[in-house]
Amino acid sequence: GAVVSQHPSRVICKSGTSVKIECRSLDFQATTMFWYRQFPKQSLMLMATSNEGSKATYEQGVEKDKFLINHASLTLSTLTVTSAHPEDSSFYICSARGRDRYQPQHFGDGTRLSIL
Amino acid sequence: KNQVEQSPQSLIILEGKNCTLQCNYTVSPFSNLRWYKQDTGRGPVSLTIMTFSENTKSNGRYTATLDADTKQSSLHITASQLSDSASYICVVSGNNDMRFGAGTRLTVKP
Repeated sequence: GAVVSQHPSRVICKSGTSVKIECRSLDFQATTMFWYRQFPKQSLMLMATSNEGSKATYEQGVEKDKFLINHASLTLSTLTVTSAHPEDSSFYICSARGRDRYQPQHFGDGTRLSIL
Repeated sequence: KNQVEQSPQSLIILEGKNCTLQCNYTVSPFSNLRWYKQDTGRGPVSLTIMTFSENTKSNGRYTATLDADTKQSSLHITASQLSDSASYICVVSGNNDMRFGAGTRLTVKP
């Protein structure tokens, strides 16, 4: 089945650091990638949607200058949390989908971000 | 109010028992409904996907039902195993967006 690889799986860093998370589709072309944030015992919250070669579309309340998304190729999207602070600590999950919007999204295994 | 409501919020059952998880939605127009399984610290994995015309779909011990008239779906797990312990998330898609339920946390005990 389709595989999405997310890296790193865990990051612990100091406040003020910028952190980059990578999301790769390994065996299909990901026309669209999604970035989610998940707090403990809560469901996924969509942060932004990115289409290859286009600027990401951010959900209301998500700061685009804080969470930089790049989707430069059909197999790679990155999320950079700039100048991270403790309140940015969370579980970040990416997903990818091909051209057929009716196919399920394939999720990465998430990145646990802890800002000290 | 969330457009996708799941119940129960959490559930504990003994290994070998069956259980049913519920999902009610108000998303309109409706495109499809998916059930995902999310193990702790992992990304969600798709279990089933159903469109408007489908009433039931099975994936091994998982059987999902959909009543598009009442906007209700259920996920039935038979002969539960310890590895079924996870969160089960109902996701309903409309024309251009997806709505996530808060999930049901299932714990299967020996």
